[in-house]
Amino acid sequence: QSVLTQPPSVSGAPGQRVTISCTGSSSNIGAGFAVNWYQQLPGTAPKLLMYGNSNRPSGVPDRFSGSKSGTSASLAITGLQAEDEADYYCQSFDSSLSDYLFGGGTKLTVL
Amino acid sequence: EVQLVESGGGLVQPGGSLRLSCAASGFTFSSYWMHWVRQAPGKGLVWVSRIKGDGSSLKYADSVKGRFTISRDNARNTVYMQMDSLGAEDTAVYYCAREGSGSFTKTHDFWGHGTLVTVSS
Repeated sequence: QSVLTQPPSVSGAPGQRVTISCTGSSSNIGAGFAVNWYQQLPGTAPKLLMYGNSNRPSGVPDRFSGSKSGTSASLAITGLQAEDEADYYCQSFDSSLSDYLFGGGTKLTVL
Repeated sequence: EVQLVESGGGLVQPGGSLRLSCAASGFTFSSYWMHWVRQAPGKGLVWVSRIKGDGSSLKYADSVKGRFTISRDNARNTVYMQMDSLGAEDTAVYYCAREGSGSFTKTHDFWGHGTLVTVSS
């Protein structure tokens, strides 16, 4: 069981908007540590998708957005495309464990 | 262009050892923390270990503490993971990842392609 909790799966039709949640605690997200998001396309290595809660690295479409509130964070994808079908992981740092944490991952299916 | 290339994975018997390597290029290697992250078949990402740019600070996940040793050779731009007393639970793809700097601190901004370690008799 991951310390950062994500829904195992989400789905949406092309063009729709989906959100993926990431719930932590007072020792990680709630302590002010930034949340990062990674996209892992099938059979490939993870790629940094969002950093510092809501910042997109160069090259990431603005269809992707991130937010954080309290002990939770969210990744939103608008204008869903078939190429967005992937696993998405949130990540933060935990002060009590002094470890980097990943969420359990969410599989996005584009219907 | 930043590149990270892992090698050294393979099939090993329970209780055996393996050393992974990650060759880096395209950036000033000694200035960056480097991490190992693993992913068991069909499972999620799990952080394993990290090492500071000058090698002076190391950290391990509890699941590998005492069995795995991270090190680096800045002259060769390479980070290593010595894995001993391997068990079936260590079967995974092992990724090498760079920790970003500045705004990208505490992110894994570049990843290698991974190397598969299979522990089985």
